[in-house]
Amino acid sequence: DAGVTQSPTHLIKTRGQQVTLRCSPKSGHDTVSWYQQALGQGPQFIFQYYEEEERQRGNFPDRFSGHQFPNYSSELNVNALLLGDSALYLCASSLGVAGAEQYFGPGTRLTVT
Amino acid sequence: QKEVEQDPGPLSVPEGAIVSLNCTYSNSAFQYFMWYRQYSRKGPELLMYTYSSGNKEDGRFTAQVDKSSKYISLFIRDSQPSDSATYLCAMSPYNQGGKLIFGQGTELSVKP
Repeated sequence: DAGVTQSPTHLIKTRGQQVTLRCSPKSGHDTVSWYQQALGQGPQFIFQYYEEEERQRGNFPDRFSGHQFPNYSSELNVNALLLGDSALYLCASSLGVAGAEQYFGPGTRLTVT
Repeated sequence: QKEVEQDPGPLSVPEGAIVSLNCTYSNSAFQYFMWYRQYSRKGPELLMYTYSSGNKEDGRFTAQVDKSSKYISLFIRDSQPSDSATYLCAMSPYNQGGKLIFGQGTELSVKP
């Protein structure tokens, strides 16, 4: 049973650049949520995608955007990177938009210099 | 005040001890409660998932939810060095099940 996968594992970007992170959900899941985890903190909810639409959004600026594809995979895009965007970005998948039982991927560690 | 409060520790116990981890919350709309285990530089792993109040047991792990006190707990029996990790509590409201609110995480170390 394939779990949640994310790519890349790690990347380094310069302030002001743009980045795209990718996620494939667990087999059988149709909903993807994205979280940002700063060092020493719990994950913070960015947004959720279901049926190719953004369904819920956390307290993040419009620089953070996403997309979901017909095969349920998803992308997270961050524009105009700031130093404070350095964090572990986690993707979680679940079944249905109200699914609280979420399974996480290994994360993408983003470093902004 | 944060919606979910969790003591960051670190918590150090000897192998074989019973570990108690706790979170408090302020939002009475929370209905779904989860515990995740996160090893260093890895993604969180779902350990326990409960709906509303009550207890749930899975092997050495027991999760308790007391909605009247807005307090949840995770107990680990016969703790092992492999249990050394950060434990995160998470919860969500009944009408926003997909949006998890996490505690800060408690760092646990089990010494052989």
